[in-house]
Amino acid sequence: GAGVSQSPSNKVTEKGKDVELRCDPISGHTALYWYRQRLGQGLEFLIYFQGNSAPDKSGLPSDRFSAERTGESVSTLTIQRTQQEDSAVYLCASSPNSLETQYFGPGTRLLVL
Amino acid sequence: QKEVEQDPGPLSVPEGAIVSLNCTYSNSAFQYFMWYRQYSRKGPELLMYTYSSGNKEDGRFTAQVDKSSKYISLFIRDSQPSDSATYLCAMSVGNAGNMLTFGGGTRLMVKP
Repeated sequence: GAGVSQSPSNKVTEKGKDVELRCDPISGHTALYWYRQRLGQGLEFLIYFQGNSAPDKSGLPSDRFSAERTGESVSTLTIQRTQQEDSAVYLCASSPNSLETQYFGPGTRLLVL
Repeated sequence: QKEVEQDPGPLSVPEGAIVSLNCTYSNSAFQYFMWYRQYSRKGPELLMYTYSSGNKEDGRFTAQVDKSSKYISLFIRDSQPSDSATYLCAMSVGNAGNMLTFGGGTRLMVKP
């Protein structure tokens, strides 16, 4: 079946602009996660949605970052007033539920000039 | 100090060699341990996951967890050039669906 998809695959923006990144999880997966991967580094957790529960936002690095999820489907990660240090690959993952392992999408490569 | 430490490599081995990849961690609350493989410009792909201490084997891959030493390993037997990738260890508290804490990844190169 179809895996996790993300769009756009690449995004170049200017410092100070807002960007929106989209994630389509695997159908039927109730849990959705966003991670950030800086060049040559491991993944950093950003935010976690599970069903209708309040999201776990504990990994968001600043109030410029926010995310929404429509029901148990699409999620959007928004970065306002982008900074150069926001340049990274933003990865989305989904899981059948909060008990099982996570499956990752291909990521969105964000470059802030 | 990071919660999960992983030698970044690169680790270069000849085809057919046995590869050993390792991570150490500091949080004794971690209970679920995963290994992901990431090819260049792709998302991480789950290879194996284990719960608590012990061994798990899947084909050419064996994962080991030693909670007493806070040390996990991934062994790859009969390594192939197609195994060339970055290997990321990850772990979570409570259950496998909780937020993952990742190591920085080890880049592996298998030369034909």
